[in-house]
Amino acid sequence: DSGVTQTPKHLITATGQRVTLRCSPRSGDLSVYWYQQSLDQGLQFLIQYYNGEERAKGNILERFSAQQFPDLHSELNLSSLELGDSALYFCASSVASPGETQYFGPGTRLLVL
Amino acid sequence: AQTVTQSQPEMSVQEAETVTLSCTYDTSESNYYLFWYKQPPSRQMILVIRQEAYKQQNATENRFSVNFQKAAKSFSLKISDSQLGDTAMYFCASAQGAQKLVFGQGTRLTINP
Repeated sequence: DSGVTQTPKHLITATGQRVTLRCSPRSGDLSVYWYQQSLDQGLQFLIQYYNGEERAKGNILERFSAQQFPDLHSELNLSSLELGDSALYFCASSVASPGETQYFGPGTRLLVL
Repeated sequence: AQTVTQSQPEMSVQEAETVTLSCTYDTSESNYYLFWYKQPPSRQMILVIRQEAYKQQNATENRFSVNFQKAAKSFSLKISDSQLGDTAMYFCASAQGAQKLVFGQGTRLTINP
């Protein structure tokens, strides 16, 4: 158990819908990272938050947004969902010092039908 | 931009054998970190080993060790006395500072009884 929790574990929804994925980091970790794992794109970085502020953005679509709350949990919002958004979405957390390990949650498996 | 390349999509060895997974990377930074993560069938991402680029000494964690060749930008993972539980996808990744992980495409390792 990494100490990072993600809910829900599985999500099935239809095209055009909107979903919210939730992540709680390990105790003491200030930074949260979101990654998407799909068959064709592999593991890709989406966005990073540090202590409530956006720190870095990767290949995140405009239909996707995220935020980190004062209690440090984070939410990833995916809207106008398309079939191609079906993937495993990971949250990871770290203390955000250089080179520190990112600990991954169990992921949320999203299926868009 | 950072890139990570794993040239072996799949590997298969017998239990108790030693296996080496290859990884090459490219970065323009002088301060970076390298990681191997394991993803078993449960899909959880688990850190196997990490290496700080400024350290000459190769990292070791029990049966897992790396061969870090900085000039060649190579970071291979050696698994000694392989066990059935080592069956998983293995991802090589790099990071600059406290930033995102950039992953390779992964190597699917199967340990046969």
